Amino acid sequence: AQTVTQSQPEMSVQEAETVTLSCTYDTSENNYYLFWYKQPPSRQMILVIRQEAYKQQNATENRFSVNFQKAAKSFSLKISDSQLGDTAMYFCAFMMTSNTGNQFYFGTGTSLTVIP
Amino acid sequence: DGGITQSPKYLFRKEGQNVTLSCEQNLNHDAMYWYRQDPGQGLRLIYYSQIVNDFQKGDIAEGYSVSREKKESFPLTVTSAQKNPTAFYLCASSIRGLNYGYTFGSGTRLTVV
Repeated sequence: AQTVTQSQPEMSVQEAETVTLSCTYDTSENNYYLFWYKQPPSRQMILVIRQEAYKQQNATENRFSVNFQKAAKSFSLKISDSQLGDTAMYFCAFMMTSNTGNQFYFGTGTSLTVIP
Repeated sequence: DGGITQSPKYLFRKEGQNVTLSCEQNLNHDAMYWYRQDPGQGLRLIYYSQIVNDFQKGDIAEGYSVSREKKESFPLTVTSAQKNPTAFYLCASSIRGLNYGYTFGSGTRLTVV
């Protein structure tokens, strides 16, 4: 079975600073995908960034980047130049493809507060 | 604009009643999913459907039922057998066979009164 662990229930960061959210996962699969989703107070889930496990290069989307360590099964999210709008719950997710389609597994989330 | 619409946004149910949560998408996605979100527990999969007229149970299907009569629609019924239905419910969809992640609806908050 696949599991996703986010060990930081809550974090805070000063506006314009950098913060890193941790995520580890456990799987015996070799081909999978990893995601970070953001859930602001509106509760709308928004895709932040996506990483294919077969790619060694870390994914980057503007101020958001990941540190993907496949051997360590670690997938952390770095937010640079934090903005007030980054205040949200962040979920790490693991996805694999099976005979019954895509299977997602979510972590329990990290609540991030950006302090003005 | 394409997207997923969940309705209603807030729903109140008396104990012993069944209620149905609506989820409609116009993205032409094959697969649709229902998740339950509780504080501190992340998202837990209730049911999912990869094609019309077919669906599978997720991790916490007891007390819930679904149907997939149309590609665009995947309603979730919370039955009286669900012991603790108060939660936030999220619907999602994806393109089957592609790995671009989910598109989520805006959710329904269900409260049992």
